[in-house]
Amino acid sequence: EADIYQTPRYLVIGTGKKITLECSQTMGHDKMYWYQQDPGMELHLIHYSYGVNSTEKGDLSSESTVSRIRTEHFPLTLESARPSHTSQYLCASSAGQGASPLHFGNGTRLTVT
Amino acid sequence: AQSVTQPDIHITVSEGASLELRCNYSYGATPYLFWYVQSPGQGLQLLLKYFSGDTLVQGIKGFEAEFKRSQSSFNLRKPSVHWSDAAEYFCAVGATGFQKLVFGTGTRLLVSP
Repeated sequence: EADIYQTPRYLVIGTGKKITLECSQTMGHDKMYWYQQDPGMELHLIHYSYGVNSTEKGDLSSESTVSRIRTEHFPLTLESARPSHTSQYLCASSAGQGASPLHFGNGTRLTVT
Repeated sequence: AQSVTQPDIHITVSEGASLELRCNYSYGATPYLFWYVQSPGQGLQLLLKYFSGDTLVQGIKGFEAEFKRSQSSFNLRKPSVHWSDAAEYFCAVGATGFQKLVFGTGTRLLVSP
């Protein structure tokens, strides 16, 4: 049973459209993350958050933006989608101090045509 | 900065045979180490983790991993593979402080009858 939910699971959209990928968790975790995953490549951290009103860019430069207005919600927005944004986006959360394991959602596979 | 190498892109194992997936890490201090599994179309599920203490850690689904500091390795093992183990396996290393995992490129496990 998933405690972290991502919607939509699949999205096909045209170039130039604005999109928001949703991520919600019911575990009360302070830390949340967005990873980008391409086939045969490692997961790249693109955004993370320590808690409400805290957001930081990750290691991989991304044109997306995130917000953290509520603990449980960490949406990712692309203002103008491009084919180079085609990828799988994974949301994750973790609890507590130190190296708590990440809990992942099932991902959103985005295709920009 | 930490890094992870998974030297095997694909591995094919016969059902019932033993399995070992390799993972080498680079990190200056004692790392936090994780193995995750990803089935097609799914997010990542935590198999096991190493923080400190006993260097042989047990995980879910009959998996275990051994931390070898002298070899900077954290190889994943299973004595007898089942067809349902076919998936992609990711090794990850975390640094102290903020939980910012670095993932390897993954190893795809194929299980033959």
